[in-house]
Amino acid sequence: AQSVTQLGSHVSVSEGALVLLRCNYSSSVPPYLFWYVQYPNQGLQLLLKYTSAATLVKGINGFEAEFKKSETSFHLTKPSAHMSDAAEYFCAVSEDGNNRLAFGKGNQVVVIP
Amino acid sequence: GAGVSQSPSNKVTEKGKDVELRCDPISGHTALYWYRQSLGQGLEFLIYFQGNSAPDKSGLPSDRFSAERTGGSVSTLTIQRTQQEDSAVYLCASSSASETQYFGPGTRLLVL
Repeated sequence: AQSVTQLGSHVSVSEGALVLLRCNYSSSVPPYLFWYVQYPNQGLQLLLKYTSAATLVKGINGFEAEFKKSETSFHLTKPSAHMSDAAEYFCAVSEDGNNRLAFGKGNQVVVIP
Repeated sequence: GAGVSQSPSNKVTEKGKDVELRCDPISGHTALYWYRQSLGQGLEFLIYFQGNSAPDKSGLPSDRFSAERTGGSVSTLTIQRTQQEDSAVYLCASSSASETQYFGPGTRLLVL
């Protein structure tokens, strides 16, 4: 069964500093991988997705993620944090492009001015 | 265009009562999903519809939970005899063939 591990429920980052959120997955087949962001009292918004094309995926708001099969990882990065990046971030995996998503526990990102 | 909409946005009910949660997917999306988000369990898959049929109901936590979809569009999630542990945010998502699931704003359910 597919699963995702996100370590560190709360992540603090200084404004202007690198944002790095780690995601490791487990899947018995080549996975589809996603990062979603959730702002307070809102639903989930797609940041980016990997679907077996380029291993470096660029998303919205300056975020990108790199798929590394050898490490079973799909870490999310942004070179310079903004105050508006404060939100909860979820990594998710699907073994079928049109099936259930398995989510990680999420990272609550706090941006320090 | 319009996104996924859910109603009500908030629902407070008493233990033992039944509740119905509604989801309107993006027009033309054939797949529809229900998830539950709670503090203790994170985001959990509940059920998946392809058209009006539900090939995957494996995430429904008990037989008090049921869902239906009619006309390949609107879906209703029903929780019978609600319990306090049912308190959570219920999220609906829809997708076409693009693999991307688009989420609604959720329904916050509080069972007193």
